[in-house]
Amino acid sequence: QTVVTQEPSFSVSPGGTVTLTCGLSSGSVSTTHYPSWYQQTPGQGPRTLIYNTNTPSSGVPDRFSGSILENKAALTITGAQAEDESDYYCMLSMGVGIWMFGGGTKLTVL
Amino acid sequence: QVQLVESGGGVVQPGESLTLSCGASGFTFSSYGLHWVRQAPGKGLEWVAFILHDGSNNFYADSVKGRFTISRDNSKNTLYLRMNSLRPEDTAVYCCVKDNSHYAMDVWGQGTAVTVSS
Repeated sequence: QTVVTQEPSFSVSPGGTVTLTCGLSSGSVSTTHYPSWYQQTPGQGPRTLIYNTNTPSSGVPDRFSGSILENKAALTITGAQAEDESDYYCMLSMGVGIWMFGGGTKLTVL
Repeated sequence: QVQLVESGGGVVQPGESLTLSCGASGFTFSSYGLHWVRQAPGKGLEWVAFILHDGSNNFYADSVKGRFTISRDNSKNTLYLRMNSLRPEDTAVYCCVKDNSHYAMDVWGQGTAVTVSS
């Protein structure tokens, strides 16, 4: 069965730039998977960041951006801030009425 | 404001059943699809089920197919998840989530906890 893959962890310095990726164990991610990204801080519910590959959700700071890079969906944070330290999940549409989340990336800002 | 509030969680034994509810406010409930998403303790997010805006079709993750049923009552602005034959691996916080009509989710409830244990 196909699995959605994400880096388990990543680290970035304050003010730095980091790109998290979202791939498939079999095949490539494309815009037809309508990648979306969600941020979850400890003890909180998820917050939608990006949908439809690169559309920011309402109120999301413009330092967050989405794209397709080398057959994977990507979330880039440009100018990371301390409050960006969170878990990040991607989600892909795998067909009619079927969605799959990646395992999540724990981002540390230090 | 847009709000989703889940209820109905609790502690049950393996093989038992439970029904979760999710009350919605602040948006036109009958115009949007809705999801259930769960998160086991210390684990990541798992999509569970989706129902179309009018309830005409629904979809399930393989892990719950045949055991869980998603439904909605648009006259009551309420979403349901009937869970049968519960297993210890169903232990999680269950959240109802509004679909944004662009293959993604945009409003999340705070969740209700389900524990399956003997």
